Amino acid sequence: GAGVSQTPSNKVTEKGKYVELRCDPISGHTALYWYRQSLGQGPEFLIYFQGTGAADDSGLPNDRFFAVRPEGSVSTLKIQRTERGDSAVYLCASSLTGNSGSAGELFFGEGSRLTVL
Amino acid sequence: AQRVTQPEKLLSVFKGAPVELKCNYSYSGSPELFWYVQYSRQRLQLLLRHISRESIKGFTADLNKGETSFHLKKPFAQEEDSAMYYCALSGLGGNKLVFGAGTILRVKS
Repeated sequence: GAGVSQTPSNKVTEKGKYVELRCDPISGHTALYWYRQSLGQGPEFLIYFQGTGAADDSGLPNDRFFAVRPEGSVSTLKIQRTERGDSAVYLCASSLTGNSGSAGELFFGEGSRLTVL
Repeated sequence: AQRVTQPEKLLSVFKGAPVELKCNYSYSGSPELFWYVQYSRQRLQLLLRHISRESIKGFTADLNKGETSFHLKKPFAQEEDSAMYYCALSGLGGNKLVFGAGTILRVKS
């Protein structure tokens, strides 16, 4: 694949529903990140995977949010009992290493726009 | 705590004019600073990182630890520079980026 792929590109749901957002990273990238971007704000870190394990989930806002990466490639962000405040663009990024510092560059997907009515 | 501040939501300049997009950060350790850019209808992408000391598309940025700043500069703006610019911070060897709120750059002809 050419880049990080995210589906769906748009999701409209009703308050209280469950949603899943999928990310397919660049082949060979071991690190995967989820960010959330609200209107007028920069991307906000949610969770980081190194391989299959969540190495840092400190950005998840509450226990309604959960993410998995069972085979170390595709990841799914799951949101339970959605609320209107969850409306945002959810960005996925991947990198060759787990170091977003000097060794790494994050490659972003186009995002999944979630609207909770 | 790590924090990145971009004080300007919008910067509008004429083609050929100098550009400076401001970025200030707060971090107690050794920071790694980046500029990311998002052109219209494109995905967010890395523009440059301070450790590389490189010039990309005519843009440069110098890390000033005394002023805790990492301003992005270009001597002569071009229309194709119009985009959203995000400053981002990572701790040395860190595994996540903290982004500022972004600055829209509009270059007018």
